[in-house]
Parts: sequence; C-alpha cells; structure tokens
Amino acid sequence: GDSVTQMEGPVTLSEEAFLTINCTYTATGYPSLFWYVQYPGEGLQLLLKATKADDKGSNKGFEATYRKETTSFHLEKGSVQVSDSAVYFCVGGQGAQKLVFGQGTRLTINP
Amino acid sequence: EAGVAQSPRYKIIEKRQSVAFWCNPISGHATLYWYQQILGQGPKLLIQFQNNGVVDDSQLPKDRFSAERLKGVDSTLKIQPAKLEDSAVYLCASSLEGVTEAFFGQGTRLTVV
Repeated sequence: GDSVTQMEGPVTLSEEAFLTINCTYTATGYPSLFWYVQYPGEGLQLLLKATKADDKGSNKGFEATYRKETTSFHLEKGSVQVSDSAVYFCVGGQGAQKLVFGQGTRLTINP
Repeated sequence: EAGVAQSPRYKIIEKRQSVAFWCNPISGHATLYWYQQILGQGPKLLIQFQNNGVVDDSQLPKDRFSAERLKGVDSTLKIQPAKLEDSAVYLCASSLEGVTEAFFGQGTRLTVV
C-alpha cells in the first residue's frame, strides 16, 4: 500500500537557521501531498499542499516541491522562528482515499 | 467558516469502562474520518464515512470500537470496554466528497487508567 517516510526527529535549530525536513512517498499512482503542522496543544492544521508533479506549495515562509522523479516532498524554510516549534507531518492521499501519514518530526527552535 | 468540532476535549476513564466521542464536521463535507494518534506517532485511520456509509474500517478494532454517522452529519465514536492501550488522542476530520484535503478538529485526549 501507499506509504510516507519522513525524517525522524527531534530536530533542534537556532532561530534564523535554515530548515529542511525530508519526506518521500511510495504510491501506486500520483497522490496529492501535504504538510500538516501540529502546534503544542492544538489540532492538525494544513500547512501547504501540492496536487501534481512540479507543483510548489508555500505558506508562512515554508515551501515544498512535488518531485515525481525522486518521489519527494521536502519541507523547507529559509529562516525559522521560535513560533515554528511544532510537530510536522508529511501526508499523502489519492482522491477520496484515506490520508497516509508519516511518523511526524518534532521541531524545536531555540532563541 | 466554522471548523470541525469535537467534544469532549479531555476524558479520563478506568479500564473496562465505556466512553463516547462526538464530532460535528464542516457543513457540506460528505467525508468524515476518525483517526487515533498515540503519543509520538502519526495518526492512524480508524474509520472513514462517505455520507452515511462506511468506506474504510479495516483498522477499527470492531470487538471494542464502534462508530456511527447519523443523517450524514454528526458522528459518534465509542469504545467499550476500554483498554490501557486505547490511551491516545482521537481526531475527527472532514473533507469535501472526492477531495483528499482534510480539515481536523482539535481532538479528544483519552487517558485510560
């Protein structure tokens, strides 16, 4: 079945550092890909998405590009802030089928 | 636009007791999901509804878990009897029919002691 593998955490960075969280997917077709974020004590929120190859999703300074050739959807941000501390999930899904979650990466940003 | 509503936010019960969680999806969303998120793990799908019907319940422990979605709107997830390993956050999500992007509620944190 479909699966999503993302970089294990925890990841700890200093404020203004560059962030990359790797994510690769395995699927029979070409799923839509998402990054969801879970801030402490809150529910899952959609951060960004891409629905087809070469699409770039972006939001709040975060970006991810859907790379069909490497089956990847890495999350990047040029300069992280303390407020970005959260758990990030890479997620894939096709049409009306269920979402498939990666295991999550806990990010901590120190001032 | 109102989001996905869940209640209660927190629940503590003893093992072998029963518990129920409620979810009200975003208006107009035909698809409703219940996920279980154990601490430190990604969410795992328990059941997916399309309107009133069940699309996927392959990972629902049917000997103790049950779920229903009345009139294609609200949904209730029940556990009876609860086990210690059921301690988790139970997330409800909804989406438009045929669309993968899902919107999540804040979840119910269940602690079984």
